[in-house]
Amino acid sequence: ETGVTQTPRHLVMGMTNKKSLKCEQHLGHNAMYWYKQSAKKPLELMFVYNFKEQTENNSVPSRFSPECPNSSHLFLHLHTLQPEDSALYLCASSQFTASGGGLNYEQYFGPGTRLTVT
Amino acid sequence: GESVGLHLPTLSVQEGDNSIINCAYSNSASDYFIWYKQESGKGPQFIIDIRSNMDKRQGQRVTVLLNKTVKHLSLQIAATQPGDSAVYFCAENSKAGTALIFGKGTTLSVSS
Repeated sequence: ETGVTQTPRHLVMGMTNKKSLKCEQHLGHNAMYWYKQSAKKPLELMFVYNFKEQTENNSVPSRFSPECPNSSHLFLHLHTLQPEDSALYLCASSQFTASGGGLNYEQYFGPGTRLTVT
Repeated sequence: GESVGLHLPTLSVQEGDNSIINCAYSNSASDYFIWYKQESGKGPQFIIDIRSNMDKRQGQRVTVLLNKTVKHLSLQIAATQPGDSAVYFCAENSKAGTALIFGKGTTLSVSS
């Protein structure tokens, strides 16, 4: 257990559905992330939240919409997805410091949500 | 032990051998590097990290080497065990205030 939980672990959805992925961290961290992991590709950073504020959006399509209501919870709202969006979606958290190298601490990952879009 | 050139996607070793997994990073300004292990059905798990002011760091059965001249990072696993079978990723923090940039993974297979 890494202290980061994700639900659901598996999700199958049609292209017209709306669903949400949930992440919760129990580590007292103040930065949270969404990554997409596709087969044979490096982890792709999608969104970064520091102190509940979104600080990065790596050109992610608008059909993915993040929400961070507090520093312990992170959501990824999904709507009108495409089959190529099928992947493992990983949430991570870390302790951000404003001095020196910024986000230079290890990130703790959840187990991921395996998403299949049909 | 068996070593590989820069990023081969797979590495197969015998139990008890030493393993070396290599990684090339992209940004000479990167000042923090980290190795993760990902087992099937799980998220990546921290193994070891190193800052750019160091060239070597040791953990339990693992050593990370950093060569800033050629922008090369390696992970050495001593006495590899079947439980070490997983995908290994290197990552760098290339800009202050941003998240980690991950490399392609290397799948390590350990046979008994």
